[in-house]
Amino acid sequence: DQQVKQNSPSLSVQEGRISILNCDYTNSMFDYFLWYKKYPAEGPTFLISISSIKDKNEDGRFTVFLNKSAKHLSLHIVPSQPGDSAVYFCAARDSWGGGADGLTFGKGTHLIIQP
Amino acid sequence: DGGITQSPKYLFRKEGQNVTLSCEQNLNHDAMYWYRQDPGQGLRLIYYSQIVNDFQKGDIAEGYSVSREKKESFPLTVTSAQKNPTAFYLCASSIPPRGEQFFGPGTRLTVL
Repeated sequence: DQQVKQNSPSLSVQEGRISILNCDYTNSMFDYFLWYKKYPAEGPTFLISISSIKDKNEDGRFTVFLNKSAKHLSLHIVPSQPGDSAVYFCAARDSWGGGADGLTFGKGTHLIIQP
Repeated sequence: DGGITQSPKYLFRKEGQNVTLSCEQNLNHDAMYWYRQDPGQGLRLIYYSQIVNDFQKGDIAEGYSVSREKKESFPLTVTSAQKNPTAFYLCASSIPPRGEQFFGPGTRLTVL
């Protein structure tokens, strides 16, 4: 039973346009959400996070939105650049863990930025 | 430079052999983690350790073992009991209660 779902395995966006990656979750105990970027054969790189007490967090070209009632979050990348082409993972943390438990990951969305 | 190192990058083993994957961090992080990634899949938690000399099973611990004798080191042993050991293994660390985990470059294990 997947607790974190990324329903789009891939997404193609034109350079300069907005990329929107979506993530849904089922566990109401998740209190912290993260986005990671990953290139093939490398470890994931942390991008941006959001606490469940907020609905938006922005860092440069990256913005994460959280809709708790819908159990949905999204990552917006504006403007999209060729270097953004990678697999993006949504991850969540269960609040019972005291912050030291592992993360639950979605299966990832492969973002392809077209020139 | 602070970071997480995993060695080797690629590892080949014969079926039935145990193999140990190395993970070292100099970030002074208390918590460390092992994940496994299979093609088309997300990362799945194998084991985690919140503090030295303590570790907990994750979602897919069967066939794996770990130790945490030093804060900097969290080696993972893939035993012959692991049914499908061929995968990409990732080590991570964090400073609880912050949620961000920082990952090493990974080890690709292939069992022949």
